[in-house]
Amino acid sequence: EVLLVGSGGGLVQPGGSLRLTCAASNFPFSDFGMSWVRQAPGKGLEWVSGIDRSGSRTFYADSVKGRFTISRDNSRNTLYLQMNSLTVEDTAVYYCAKDVSWSLTHFDSWGQGTLVSVSS
Amino acid sequence: QSALTQPASVSGSPGQSITISCTGTSSDVGRYHYVSWYQHHPGKVPKLIIYDVSYRPSGVSNRFSGSKSGNTASLTISGLQSEDESDYYCCSYTSNSALVFGGGTRLTVL
Repeated sequence: EVLLVGSGGGLVQPGGSLRLTCAASNFPFSDFGMSWVRQAPGKGLEWVSGIDRSGSRTFYADSVKGRFTISRDNSRNTLYLQMNSLTVEDTAVYYCAKDVSWSLTHFDSWGQGTLVSVSS
Repeated sequence: QSALTQPASVSGSPGQSITISCTGTSSDVGRYHYVSWYQHHPGKVPKLIIYDVSYRPSGVSNRFSGSKSGNTASLTISGLQSEDESDYYCCSYTSNSALVFGGGTRLTVL
């Protein structure tokens, strides 16, 4: 069974930074694209960022472009999301998700989510 | 990247059928067959129920079906059951090489 374990969330002040990590196991990590999806309190799902299987192509929602950086380490089966210049609007549960393809299509497995709270 | 448009809520009685619409533009839903649907029970992780407009993953009930016409995709759930009560989200690939979700629809089984 695919296992995705997210970590790195927490409380941070506006303007601060945080790095999320998603540890993947039980599947060939380097064969699949990965994404981060978030859900703000009381709101719907929002796709945040994606990366292809090699890490050579990255994709971002307009709301985070220039502030967030997605990356992966295929030797460690790990996905990252570096979040800078955080605002209160970034407060959400962040899920890592495994794509069914090498790039960006749809997600067949999700991590349990890690909570990011941006507040002064 | 504006969110796809879904009704905020729908409801139906057990055994009935309901349809949830998902309206986008010619740059997303209307252009690509990469439309998917997710079921999300509060407190749990989202579950893929439809992909590529109308395909069901293995293990998903055939009571769930998807379709698309122009810029609007639809999810139909037939033979409603109490366990279908959940939030449902559509998602589409876009011409900006991104994904966009719908605002979500809360399904209530009366």
